[in-house]
Amino acid sequence: DTGVSQDPRHKITKRGQNVTFRCDPISEHNRLYWYRQTLGQGPEFLTYFQNEAQLEKSRLLSDRFSAERPKGSFSTLEIQRTEQGDSAMYLCASSPKRRLEETQYFGPGTRLLVL
Amino acid sequence: GNSVTQMEGPVTLSEEAFLTINCTYTATGYPSLFWYVQYPGEGLQLLLKATKADDKGSNKGFEATYRKETTSFHLEKGSVQVSDSAVYFCALPREAGGTSYGKLTFGQGTILTVHP
Repeated sequence: DTGVSQDPRHKITKRGQNVTFRCDPISEHNRLYWYRQTLGQGPEFLTYFQNEAQLEKSRLLSDRFSAERPKGSFSTLEIQRTEQGDSAMYLCASSPKRRLEETQYFGPGTRLLVL
Repeated sequence: GNSVTQMEGPVTLSEEAFLTINCTYTATGYPSLFWYVQYPGEGLQLLLKATKADDKGSNKGFEATYRKETTSFHLEKGSVQVSDSAVYFCALPREAGGTSYGKLTFGQGTILTVHP
């Protein structure tokens, strides 16, 4: 399987705990995106990497959120001191760096429930 | 930035019925347009795309035509199946070019339920 993978698929945590999600993009893709999707809504952009550089962060990404892509391959998204409002599906997507290429390929998502 | 307005649902159809889900957009220039599908409990899958005006994207019996005159990209299928039950999202890049290239903005999604 050469698609985007995410781990874990589901996470239940208590309010105040820290959680970390991992995304492995398609191997030749150097662009990586994180989105958040709440129930009944479309995905909302959180942050974007080109190789290891984090080039853009949405204002949705509060100080409790941090994302890394240390070697330009897999990425992690950490949420510190989780709140109930953080409950959502966290989606990762990747895209090749080709001129005019705008298609993004999504992973299965990590569903977070904060109790 | 660019934005998309998607037909509100849910849509309920009988098997073999004709499907249309409306999508209109506001954009600078002529960005690529996308339809993504999300099956229950899963992430998004690219269904089809069109990269320039008058292009028709197609996949699995679904079609959508990039119409710049009406700024629309409506999704159609001639005969739906129970297995088409899912949430459908229209999307386009939020901005054109630059360092944030490719960031997508999505419609709110349309829930399609197909009954036997």
